[in-house]
Amino acid sequence: AQSVTQLDSQVPVFEEAPVELRCNYSSSVSVYLFWYVQYPNQGLQLLLKYLSGSTLVKGINGFEAEFNKSQTSFHLRKPSVHISDTAEYFCAVSENQAGTALIFGKGTTLSVSS
Amino acid sequence: DADVTQTPRNRITKTGKRIMLECSQTKGHDRMYWYRQDPGLGLRLIYYSFDVKDINKGEISDGYSVSRQAQAKFSLSLESAIPNQTALYFCATSDANFPEAFFGQGTRLTVV
Repeated sequence: AQSVTQLDSQVPVFEEAPVELRCNYSSSVSVYLFWYVQYPNQGLQLLLKYLSGSTLVKGINGFEAEFNKSQTSFHLRKPSVHISDTAEYFCAVSENQAGTALIFGKGTTLSVSS
Repeated sequence: DADVTQTPRNRITKTGKRIMLECSQTKGHDRMYWYRQDPGLGLRLIYYSFDVKDINKGEISDGYSVSRQAQAKFSLSLESAIPNQTALYFCATSDANFPEAFFGQGTRLTVV
């Protein structure tokens, strides 16, 4: 069965600094990978996804992520963060085969300060 | 109107009571999920269903049951609520052709 590890539970950064949120997964088959964002007191919103093709995927709000099959990673990056990026970020994986559900990591809280 | 609607949005209930959380969707998706969110634990899968006649246990199904009444409706029941079931519960949907999940706004459940 697949699993997801988010390597940092909290990431504090200053406004306009770059940020990387790390995600590693475990699976014996090919996978689909996702990043979701949850703003305070809100539901989850899809930030970006990797299904196939180019390993560099771009999402909303200037975020991007790179799928690295050899390192089983899907790290999320943004070159310059804003105060409004303060939120919780979840990495998720589902296996590319019938009958598997979407499994989430424990989340990374990104705190952007001025 | 929201594509994935959860009711109620907030609920306080007493230990030992039976409670049902409901989810309906207008996206036409065949797959539906129930997750619970706890601080520091992320989202954990309770149950999922890939069609009306398919029900599967997730990581933390003990103490919960589900019913898939129709393709668009998936309800979660707590037969006898206990305080450690206090959490934020999310319903989600997806499709075999579009595997990303779409979430409802969540139900905040407090068991006292």
